[in-house]
Amino acid sequence: AQSVTQLDSQVPVFEEAPVELRCNYSSSVSVYLFWYVQYPNQGLQLLLKYLSGSTLVKGINGFEAEFNKSQTSFHLRKPSVHISDTAEYFCAVTPSGGYQKVTFGTGTKLQVIP
Amino acid sequence: NAGVTQTPKFQVLKTGQSMTLQCAQDMNHEYMSWYRQDPGMGLRLIHYSVGAGITDQGEVPNGYNVSRSTTEDFPLRLLSAAPSQTSVYFCASSRDRGLSNQPQHFGDGTRLSIL
Repeated sequence: AQSVTQLDSQVPVFEEAPVELRCNYSSSVSVYLFWYVQYPNQGLQLLLKYLSGSTLVKGINGFEAEFNKSQTSFHLRKPSVHISDTAEYFCAVTPSGGYQKVTFGTGTKLQVIP
Repeated sequence: NAGVTQTPKFQVLKTGQSMTLQCAQDMNHEYMSWYRQDPGMGLRLIHYSVGAGITDQGEVPNGYNVSRSTTEDFPLRLLSAAPSQTSVYFCASSRDRGLSNQPQHFGDGTRLSIL
C-alpha cells in the first residue's frame, strides 16, 4: 500500500513571492504522482503529473514539481504567486502499471496575501 | 462540454433517510469513482467502477451502495443516512480502465448534511 504526507495544512504567502508546497510519499513499488488544485466550491483539477522521464515536471498556471526518488518527495513550486492561486492543493500517488487506486494527501491550503 | 455532472449540489437529510447522489459523465470514460472529502482527511475512496456492470469497494464503503448499468452514469446510494456521513462527495472519471497514469476528472461535488 502507498501513502502520501502533505506536511503543511496551511501556507500563507505574499503575492508575487515564491512558494513551495511539500509532498512526501511512501510506496514499495514505482509510482505515478499527481498534483491537483481545488478552488472553493469546485472539484479537483489536475495541475501536473509525473509518470516517468524528466524529474522536473511543468504544469498549468506556472506551477512545476520535482520528483526526488531518493527523498520520496514531489514538492510543488511556483516562483511568483498570484491572488488567483489561493486554493487547496492535493498531492496524489498511485502504483505504476495497470489501474490501481489513487491515494490522496490531506491537502495544503495556499493563502495568497495581497 | 459538460464533463462530470453531479446532482444535487446541496442536500440535507434526516438520520435514517435514504437518497441517491447522481453522477454522469459525457466523455465515454471507463473508470468512475466516488470520494468523500472531510476536513483534515483529504479524499477517501468509497466505491469505484472500471466499466459498465463492474464495481468494487474502496477505502470507506460501509453505508453506501453503487451500480453501473451504463458507461455514463454511476449513482451513489445512501441506504440509511447517519450523521457520520455528513461530507462533501465527489464523483470522478478517467479514460481507461487499465491505465493508472490517467488523471481523473472531477465533478463539483455534492454537499450533504445529515441531521
